[in-house]
Order: sequence, then C-alpha cells, then structure tokens
Amino acid sequence: GQQLNQSPQSMFIQEGEDVSMNCTSSSIFNTWLWYKQDPGEGPVLLIALYKAGELTSNGRLTAQFGITRKDSFLNISASIPSDVGIYFCAGPAPNNAGNMLTFGGGTRLMVKP
Amino acid sequence: KAGVTQTPRYLIKTRGQQVTLSCSPISGHRSVSWYQQTPGQGLQFLFEYFSETQRNKGNFPGRFSGRQFSNSRSEMNVSTLELGDSALYLCASSFWQGNNEQFFGPGTRLTVL
Repeated sequence: GQQLNQSPQSMFIQEGEDVSMNCTSSSIFNTWLWYKQDPGEGPVLLIALYKAGELTSNGRLTAQFGITRKDSFLNISASIPSDVGIYFCAGPAPNNAGNMLTFGGGTRLMVKP
Repeated sequence: KAGVTQTPRYLIKTRGQQVTLSCSPISGHRSVSWYQQTPGQGLQFLFEYFSETQRNKGNFPGRFSGRQFSNSRSEMNVSTLELGDSALYLCASSFWQGNNEQFFGPGTRLTVL
C-alpha cells in the first residue's frame, strides 16, 4: 500500500489565497518530488528536493524537505485559477536503487464557488 | 525538446483480450517507468526499464509485462484483460536509472468492458 500520506485530501481556494499542503511518511526518504496533475493529463514535475531542510522555489511554489526526512511541504502563494488540479508528493521507494516512485494520495485543489 | 509521448491516448477493450501500449521517452532519456493510476489505488508503480532490461517490478500479476527497445522506446502489454485493469496507464522517463526526476507522458486511458 501507499507509504506517503498527504493532507489535506482536498481544499477549496479563492484567488489570491496562499495554500499549504504536506506529505508525511513512516519511512525516511532521500528525495522528495512534487507533481501537479490536470484532468486527462500526466503529472508534471514541479519541484525536486534532495537535502534535509532544503527549501526550493519555483515561481509562486515553495517546497521544503523536512528535517526528519519523513515529511515535505508545498506552499502556493497568491493562488490563481490555473492552480486548480491534483498535487502529488512522491519519492523513491525506500531501499530501492532504481526509479520506483511511491506516490501520496494527492491533494485536490478546487476553486471556491 | 519533445516530451514523453504515449499511444494510443484512449483504448476500449473487452475482458479476456490483450492490449499493448507504447511509450516514447524524452530524447536522451534511457530509463522508462510505467505506472497505473486508478481512483481507488492511486498511482502505483508497474515496472522500470533501463538499457532494455527490466530493473524493477511492482506488485502486479504476471499478466502485466513490458519491454524496452534499443532506442529506449518502451511497450507494456496486459494479457487476459480484467474489468479491474481499467485505468490510466502512465509512462515516465528519466535520464538514467537512479535519477528520480521522472517526466510523465499524458497517459493511455484503458477501459475494459
């Protein structure tokens, strides 16, 4: 089963709001990846993190690699309508030398009616 | 540089049939991984190929198989289709095995009737 727990599972955003989501694991990860998936498309890589404590930005997106190596956080500042979609955290499966990624269940961002 | 391409984008099959899906990685990428995405199980790793060899395999039955060609293009095959095989099948490529930054294609939506 999945080893990465994402929260919240879903959230409504209003344009201009800041958004935060996180991903936790019972195992240590050496790499954290954040992807966004739009309906009918494949996930798009947003940010990759390789070092505990690392803080990396990509435009309005900022992600952090937790100090314990068991969590990661993604923040979106000043959200816009095109931020709507599903955000996934992912990392290489523990004790796996290849490219086998474990994915979280996703955080679905929706626009407030 | 062109992204990962997958063909076909949509496919409808009936139970018991077999299906072959194709993936062309980003030019220069030599590792190709396949994932299955369903609403219930999320994104799950199927297998990874590098230099025409399967390097990792996920927890899927033997009906799921794949191969990689010398030009790094990959195919996956599912035999004796079951209703539960209906899913979005995603291919991801990376420069080499162990480079966790994987870039996904748009996926093939398989519906089994």
